[in-house]
Amino acid sequence: EAQVTQNPRYLITVTGKKLTVTCSQNMNHEYMSWYRQDPGLGLRQIYYSMNVEVTDKGDVPEGYKVSRKEKRNFPLILESPSPNQTSLYFCASRQEGLTEAFFGQGTRLTVV
Amino acid sequence: AQSVAQPEDQVNVAEGNPLTVKCTYSVSGNPYLFWYVQYPNRGLQFLLKYITGDNLVKGSYGFEAEFNKSQTSFHLKKPSALVSDSALYFCAVRSRAMFSGGYNKLIFGAGTRLAVHP
Repeated sequence: EAQVTQNPRYLITVTGKKLTVTCSQNMNHEYMSWYRQDPGLGLRQIYYSMNVEVTDKGDVPEGYKVSRKEKRNFPLILESPSPNQTSLYFCASRQEGLTEAFFGQGTRLTVV
Repeated sequence: AQSVAQPEDQVNVAEGNPLTVKCTYSVSGNPYLFWYVQYPNRGLQFLLKYITGDNLVKGSYGFEAEFNKSQTSFHLKKPSALVSDSALYFCAVRSRAMFSGGYNKLIFGAGTRLAVHP
């Protein structure tokens, strides 16, 4: 089954404790992105990647890092999480030439 | 600045009645247009898209959307609502210009919660 898989689905952590949210897609898509969803703001792009070893900032990159060492994986790293990073995070992928993106199930992160 | 507006936080409709969820956008050029739906504790599911051609596009679950270039709108419609349609709906756009910043991201509206009552 074609899918984008995120882990974990739910995470509660403390301020300053480094964490990684994994994202994997099995569709051989070139493009991958991370978004955060906040009430009243919709989804905003954090980082994106056009292919292996090619990443760039989205609209709200502060406090986040990403890497793309393999085509299928695009982890999101929070080196020192803060409470303002409490949010619902989505990973997405799409194939070059296709227009719609496919989204993972989401990761609800709470930083206390 | 590029933006997508969904003017209604919530839309209430009785089951069996037609529904409309509104979306307007302010994006240069002729962007790709999308609707996504989010059910509780689920990811975003793609509903439909407008690329080119007929201004009325049909998508999943009986939904359709009408593109109006002059009004820069892309309203989501369904002739007969179901209680199971109750969810959060997002309109999104993406630039067609390959070397623009908007090519690599979706710009989302704030979302509209649809509540269909029995």
